[in-house]
Parts: sequence; C-alpha cells; structure tokens
Amino acid sequence: DQQVKQNSPSLSVQEGRISILNCDYTNSMFDYFLWYKKYPAEGPTFLISISSIKDKNEDGRFTVFLNKSAKHLSLHIVPSQPGDSAVYFCAASGDFGNEKLTFGTGTRLTIIP
Amino acid sequence: DAGVIQSPRHEVTEMGQEVTLRCKPISGHDYLFWYRQTMMRGLELLIYFNNNVPIDDSGMPEDRFSAKMPNASFSTLKIQPSEPRDSAVYFCASTYSRQPQHFGDGTRLSIL
Repeated sequence: DQQVKQNSPSLSVQEGRISILNCDYTNSMFDYFLWYKKYPAEGPTFLISISSIKDKNEDGRFTVFLNKSAKHLSLHIVPSQPGDSAVYFCAASGDFGNEKLTFGTGTRLTIIP
Repeated sequence: DAGVIQSPRHEVTEMGQEVTLRCKPISGHDYLFWYRQTMMRGLELLIYFNNNVPIDDSGMPEDRFSAKMPNASFSTLKIQPSEPRDSAVYFCASTYSRQPQHFGDGTRLSIL
C-alpha cells in the first residue's frame, strides 16, 4: 500500500525553464511534507518542507505547494539549473515532525543544458 | 559537523553469511533511523530509535533483521542469515527536535 506516490519516474526539463515535480498521498493523517534531493552514491538531502497549515512555502528557487483537498503537493524549481539534475523524493509525516517519514519512490529530474 | 557516517560503503557477501552495517549519527541528535532502498519499494523505514530506545520496528522485514543502539553515537543493523533478496542500499539518518532528517551516504549491500 503506497501511501505516498510519485507517478512520474522521470522528467526532463530545459535549463532555465520551470521544473514541476508532483506527489500524491492517500493518508489524511499526514500533516507535514518534505522534499529530499538525492545524487548518485550519496544519501538524500533535505530541500524544503511544508506543514498542513500552509498551502505554499518558498525558499529561493524552490517552492512547494500543498493542496489538502486533493491530497497533492508539488515542487517547483525556477529557473532549473544543471545542478538540479537528481532524484527527488517526496516524504510525509503524521505528527508535524520527522519521525516515521513515508517516502515516495522518487522522480529522476534531468536538466538539459 | 562530520554528518552521519555509515560503514562499510559497499558490502558483498555470500548468502547465509552474517552482515553488520554500522552508523554513527550526528552528535546531539536523539533520533536515529534505518532505511532500505530498493527499485521496487523505494525508501522504506525499517526501524527508528529515540534516545537509544527502539520506538518502532514495524518495518523490519523479518526476524533475520535486528538493530541495536548501545549508545548515542553508534548503531548497528544486522542481518543473519543474509539472503539475495536483502540486496539493497541501506541508509541511516539522524535528527533532533523535529528537524529534517540528515542521511548518511548509505551502504550498498550485495548478497550473492
């Protein structure tokens, strides 16, 4: 039972354009969401998060949007840069914290120069 | 800070052998997590500790897997006996006070 789903295994975007990565969840108890970025042979690194009391959180080129009614969140990267090429994981937690994160299966983003 | 340190980075062993993966969390972090990453299931939480005490081990696949945290700076994940289906990348992560988890670079385990 995949409670956090990233339905696009891969995405290619031209450098300078917007990258949009999507994530859906099924568990209505989730109230805290995170995005992690992973390079090959490295562990995931935290990128940005959002709590269920917000619908948007922005940090530089990265913005996360949360639509609670649709149980959907998205990560926007503007403008996309070659260094953004990585696998992006969406994660969710049910206690407004970071215990017991449930991860999606990841989306591989490739930025085309 | 040195970050979360995992060893070994790579382990290749034969089916039936005991495997021990090691993790040193970031100093001051009171939560430690073990994850397994596979192509089929993505990143799965196996077990996590708070203040060296196991809190939730519901993700541990079976009795062949065990984890310990004898002190705040060291944890092990043991598989005995190992099977080919245990081949995966195993990550350790740590955090404190509801901050985002910091991950180690993982151990790539291959069971032949």
